[in-house]
Amino acid sequence: GNSVTQMEGPVTLSEEAFLTINCTYTATGYPSLFWYVQYPGEGLQLLLKATKADDKGSNKGFEATYRKETTSFHLEKGSVQVSDSAVYFCALYPSGYSTLTFGKGTMLLVSP
Amino acid sequence: DADVTQTPRNRITKTGKRIMLECSQTKGHDRMYWYRQDPGLGLRLIYYSFDVKDINKGEISDGYSVSRQAQAKFSLSLESAIPNQTALYFCATSDSSPGSVNYGYTFGSGTRLTVV
Repeated sequence: GNSVTQMEGPVTLSEEAFLTINCTYTATGYPSLFWYVQYPGEGLQLLLKATKADDKGSNKGFEATYRKETTSFHLEKGSVQVSDSAVYFCALYPSGYSTLTFGKGTMLLVSP
Repeated sequence: DADVTQTPRNRITKTGKRIMLECSQTKGHDRMYWYRQDPGLGLRLIYYSFDVKDINKGEISDGYSVSRQAQAKFSLSLESAIPNQTALYFCATSDSSPGSVNYGYTFGSGTRLTVV
């Protein structure tokens, strides 16, 4: 079946540090991959996405590259801010008539 | 107005009571979903609907039912609430076209349900 594995958190960083949150997946075929972010007390927001191998999604300084050879979609940011503190979810969408499968989420805490 | 609106935002109910959570969307999407979020477990799919006449069970549908009243409305019911249904519930809609700029899910702000 389809599954997403994320690194467990919390990830604790100081402001301006480099961020990596690992995400690997298992799926048949060629899924689309997503990162969602959930700020405290809010719903999930789409952060970035990639629909085919080698695509790079980017938004708000965050990037992730769809690596089919390693079945990975790691989230990176060069310099985190306190306002980036949130829970980050990796997700995959296998095909047209299916549903999104989420990882368990990784909490990021950024201190000044 | 929000693209996906959930009501109520917070609800406390007693064990055994029936409760309905409502979701409406202005995205014009055919597909709608109900998820449950619990700490350490991520989001789990309860029910989903790909159009008004289509209802499907997700991975944790026991104890829940849904109604798709219109393209824009999708309600989740707990017929007899129990304490382990205490959770944060999210409704979502999706654009399923990979070529669309809006491809992906849009979530509501959630309903925090407490069953005592």
